[in-house]
Amino acid sequence: DTEVTQTPKHLVMGMTNKKSLKCEQHMGHRAMYWYKQKAKKPPELMFVYSYEKLSINESVPSRFSPECPNSSLLNLHLHALQPEDSALYLCASSPRTGQGSYEQYFGPGTRLTVT
Amino acid sequence: SQKIEQNSEALNIQEGKTATLTCNYTNYSPAYLQWYRQDPGRGPVFLLLIRENEKEKRKERLKVTFDTTLKQSLFHVTASQPADSATYLCALSSYNTDKLIFGTGTRLQVFP
Repeated sequence: DTEVTQTPKHLVMGMTNKKSLKCEQHMGHRAMYWYKQKAKKPPELMFVYSYEKLSINESVPSRFSPECPNSSLLNLHLHALQPEDSALYLCASSPRTGQGSYEQYFGPGTRLTVT
Repeated sequence: SQKIEQNSEALNIQEGKTATLTCNYTNYSPAYLQWYRQDPGRGPVFLLLIRENEKEKRKERLKVTFDTTLKQSLFHVTASQPADSATYLCALSSYNTDKLIFGTGTRLQVFP
């Protein structure tokens, strides 16, 4: 299995809602990532988990809360989002951690709209 | 601050020609440079990785060069096909880090 899966594909939420995005990989990868991508812009790194521990937080607002329950799963909990948080949220994984020499495998993304 | 720019927002070429995309960076000394392809509404797909001590890498119709003196990478698609139409992203990383920084992207359109 060489796939990263993400659910849901699309999500519409109000500014007072609480929702979660889910990401799963069964490749035994040790690093997992969350990226945010706005239209016509490159992906921007949000969080990195290394061996299930949060290793990088790119100064992301606390309304985004990541969680890594086990080596295959990554969640992003959303609360009190703003309309400007509407974007494509991408999950990725990489075989090794702490080494920049490995490619990342991306999921198809969750298209989030905040109303 | 670090800056990674790709030569143009869009590049249009005729089928069969070679497309050349450019990735320039400043205020950074990457150890590795990667190229990804992204189709609309999909996640990026890894294509090639080149290390700072490598001049050139090839994979089928793709060729990447890495010039650390010029702080530039060139990405070539030879014998281009309409199916090569997509956005291409360069991405840089250093030793001992999981952090990947993406360039601005170039949208390649190959016309029959």
